[in-house]
Amino acid sequence: SQKIEQNSEALNIQEGKTATLTCNYTNYSPAYLQWYRQDPGRGPVFLLLIRENEKEKRKERLKVTFDTTLKQSLFHITASQPADSATYLCALDAGSGGGADGLTFGKGTHLIIQP
Amino acid sequence: GAGVSQSPSNKVTEKGKDVELRCDPISGHTALYWYRQSLGQGLEFLIYFQGNSAPDKSGLPSDRFSAERTGGSVSTLTIQRTQQEDSAVYLCASSLRTGAGNTIYFGEGSWLTVV
Repeated sequence: SQKIEQNSEALNIQEGKTATLTCNYTNYSPAYLQWYRQDPGRGPVFLLLIRENEKEKRKERLKVTFDTTLKQSLFHITASQPADSATYLCALDAGSGGGADGLTFGKGTHLIIQP
Repeated sequence: GAGVSQSPSNKVTEKGKDVELRCDPISGHTALYWYRQSLGQGLEFLIYFQGNSAPDKSGLPSDRFSAERTGGSVSTLTIQRTQQEDSAVYLCASSLRTGAGNTIYFGEGSWLTVV
């Protein structure tokens, strides 16, 4: 069965350093991969999308890589700030449309940026 | 509206009662999703509406759960004879279109507690 793995333990990073979050998947061939941010008590917010034929995508201090051979995506936040503290969700898109065959979310990694 | 609106934001109900959760998607968005998020768990797909097509109900956990979408806009998720395990955050999301590479916009969720 399909499986998406994100670090279940909280990730503590010192302010100013680069935070790297991992998303691994098995039994899946996503056409796209998306990253969302979720703050406590709020709904997830879309951050970045990367296609299977793209190796890297950047947006301001964010960088996402997508390795379909390793079945892994890395999400980097450079020059991290305490305001970056949140839970980050990885979502896989098989490209077959919406519904159950659409986006499948990981459980998320809780990131804590220490001042 | 400017974003996806959900109501109520919080609901405490007694076991065995029925509850209705409402979602008002972003204006013009044809696709609407319901997800459930339990404490420490990932987003669990429940149901998906796209335009006038038959909804994808494959994620509904039991026949106590149902949803409808009237006029292609507002949606209501109904849980009958609530159980304690139904306690969770129910998130609604909408998107402008469906298909590969589609990003979805979430509401803030309806927090349901069954006592």
